[in-house]
Amino acid sequence: QSALTQPASVSGSPGQSITISCTGTASDFGAYNYVSWYQQHPGKAPKLMIYDVFNRPSGVSNRFSGSKSGNTASLTISGLQAEDEADYYCSSYTSITTYNYVFGTGTTVTVL
Amino acid sequence: QVQLVQSGAEVKKPGASVKVSCKTSGYTFSGYYIHWVRQAPGQGLEWMGWINPNNGGTKYEQKFQGRVTLTRDTSISTAYMELSRLKSDDTAVYYCARGPAAPGTFWPLYYFDFWGQGTLVTVSS
Repeated sequence: QSALTQPASVSGSPGQSITISCTGTASDFGAYNYVSWYQQHPGKAPKLMIYDVFNRPSGVSNRFSGSKSGNTASLTISGLQAEDEADYYCSSYTSITTYNYVFGTGTTVTVL
Repeated sequence: QVQLVQSGAEVKKPGASVKVSCKTSGYTFSGYYIHWVRQAPGQGLEWMGWINPNNGGTKYEQKFQGRVTLTRDTSISTAYMELSRLKSDDTAVYYCARGPAAPGTFWPLYYFDFWGQGTLVTVSS
């Protein structure tokens, strides 16, 4: 059972901005800046988009940004493009699992 | 460029074991952890464990304790995941992923920066 809750789906039109939320528990998730976000296209491996809440790896578009407030982290995609249509997973430190790695439930982003 | 290339798809019977390889290139193998993550069909991601490439130290998620074994061969920059006593709900795509470590302590950080292409393991009688 996942410790991190995401909306099942989010949609937007090209050019719009969308935000995906990721909610954990305040006692662990909220106390550490260890949130990362992954993009996964169908049949492909996940790709790191954001790490340590707001850091973007080299090569990731600056249309992707991350933030955290309390026990909720967010991934915002601005200027939505067709290629952004994919599944997105958050991940974080948590005390709920044995060695502290947990993923969110996943969100399907649809570009209308 | 950093690459993690996994072995091909496997079909196994319940009760059997499977061993998946993850050959790395483009970086210093000993400088990063290798994590294993699986994804059942239509489901989300599930972390299984990690291996410290320097000393072979391992940590496994409790759910997989006693059934999973992570190893590595530093001479060929390759990591392995073996899962035993397979059940039908072990059917999944298994990914290896590179995990950075904290400078100084070399404790694993909480993200995965490069992933293998995935290996489908099907468990069926």
